[in-house]
Amino acid sequence: GAVVSQHPSRVICKSGTSVKIECRSLDFQATTMFWYRQFPKQSLMLMATSNEGSKATYEQGVEKDKFLINHASLTLSTLTVTSAHPEDSSFYICSVQLLGVGTQYFGPGTRLTVL
Amino acid sequence: AQSVTQLGSHVSVSEGALVLLRCNYSSSVPPYLFWYVQYPNQGLQLLLKYTSAATLVKGINGFEAEFKKSETSFHLTKPSAHMSDAAEYFCAVSEGPIQGAQKLVFGQGTRLTINP
Repeated sequence: GAVVSQHPSRVICKSGTSVKIECRSLDFQATTMFWYRQFPKQSLMLMATSNEGSKATYEQGVEKDKFLINHASLTLSTLTVTSAHPEDSSFYICSVQLLGVGTQYFGPGTRLTVL
Repeated sequence: AQSVTQLGSHVSVSEGALVLLRCNYSSSVPPYLFWYVQYPNQGLQLLLKYTSAATLVKGINGFEAEFKKSETSFHLTKPSAHMSDAAEYFCAVSEGPIQGAQKLVFGQGTRLTINP
């Protein structure tokens, strides 16, 4: 399987600031990455599909101007939470997909706490 | 549209007992099916996957699952539970062999507790 890293693992910020989360595919080139958020004791909710070299595709109800996604290389996608507020506090997880099989491999997640 | 239903948000078994986590899916196209495990404050780890080959799929840590089209089910089992199996388990479905990115639709998760 693929090895995926995320940085940072935990971040605490003040309300109104922006936070960038990195997702890296360490052992293969990923043309597609996914971003999820997970609230406590809940399932994963897909936020957007990140495509290398093109604009991300956002799920319905996800504000693209608030959650900026950049997939500038085949090994790195970033999620920037702009003007974060306490309701944005959540566990953010990225994944990479091996095309043709459909399997997604997940990063370890980033815990965002907005004060 | 696809959907996944995991019956039982919380399952508790004794160490050494059979583990059975239930998953039913809905899909208008031949699906790919997955089971993932999540330990506290961690990402998801793939346990096993069904991608239209053998209907009985064996995964890591002694888990297996059987794809039953007639029942639209993909239940996860393990003959003998171990304390280290305590975690959150997610069943997920995606469209089968299609071009491009394949989204996963997750069930609500089942928390497995192992009693000593």
